[in-house]
Amino acid sequence: DQQVKQNSPSLSVQEGRISILNCDYTNSMFDYFLWYKKYPAEGPTFLISISSIKDKNEDGRFTVFLNKSAKHLSLHIVPSQPGDSAVYFCASPYGNKLVFGAGTILRVKS
Amino acid sequence: DVKVTQSSRYLVKRTGEKVFLECVQDMDHENMFWYRQDPGLGLRLIYFSYDVKMKEKGDIPEGYSVSREKKERFSLILESASTNQTSMYLCASSQTGGGYGYTFGSGTRLTVV
Repeated sequence: DQQVKQNSPSLSVQEGRISILNCDYTNSMFDYFLWYKKYPAEGPTFLISISSIKDKNEDGRFTVFLNKSAKHLSLHIVPSQPGDSAVYFCASPYGNKLVFGAGTILRVKS
Repeated sequence: DVKVTQSSRYLVKRTGEKVFLECVQDMDHENMFWYRQDPGLGLRLIYFSYDVKMKEKGDIPEGYSVSREKKERFSLILESASTNQTSMYLCASSQTGGGYGYTFGSGTRLTVV
């Protein structure tokens, strides 16, 4: 049973435009969410996080929005750059573990 | 710079071989994890460990075992490799209570032929 879902396997965006990556969760006990970015042949690296006491967190070009009533979060990248092309995973802590979504492949075209 | 180091970037093994994947962290983290990444399935937890000599099954432990004899080292063992274990294997570590952030290794791409 997937508790964190990323329903879009891939997304293609033109350089300079906005990228929006979506994530849904089923466990209402989740209170913290993280986004990781992964390049091929590398391990995932932490990108940005948000606590459930907030509905928005911003870090440079990256903003995460949390809608607790809808159990939905999204990652916005503005403006998108070719170097943003990677796999993006959303995740939430479950005990000492992280539960990950299936990932979304982002391709930013120049 | 903190690190999680996986001993091999690429491995090719034959069906039936016993395979060892090694992971070492230098952050004195209590928790260590082994995941595999497959397209469309994301990161799936195989095993994790809260402390030396302690291990817990993750979501897909079948066909795998682990060893944690020292705090800094966590080994994943494929007892008899099969082709469906061809995957990217990722090791991670975190502090206690640290589902709030992992540090990942660079991964081992294992191909079983």
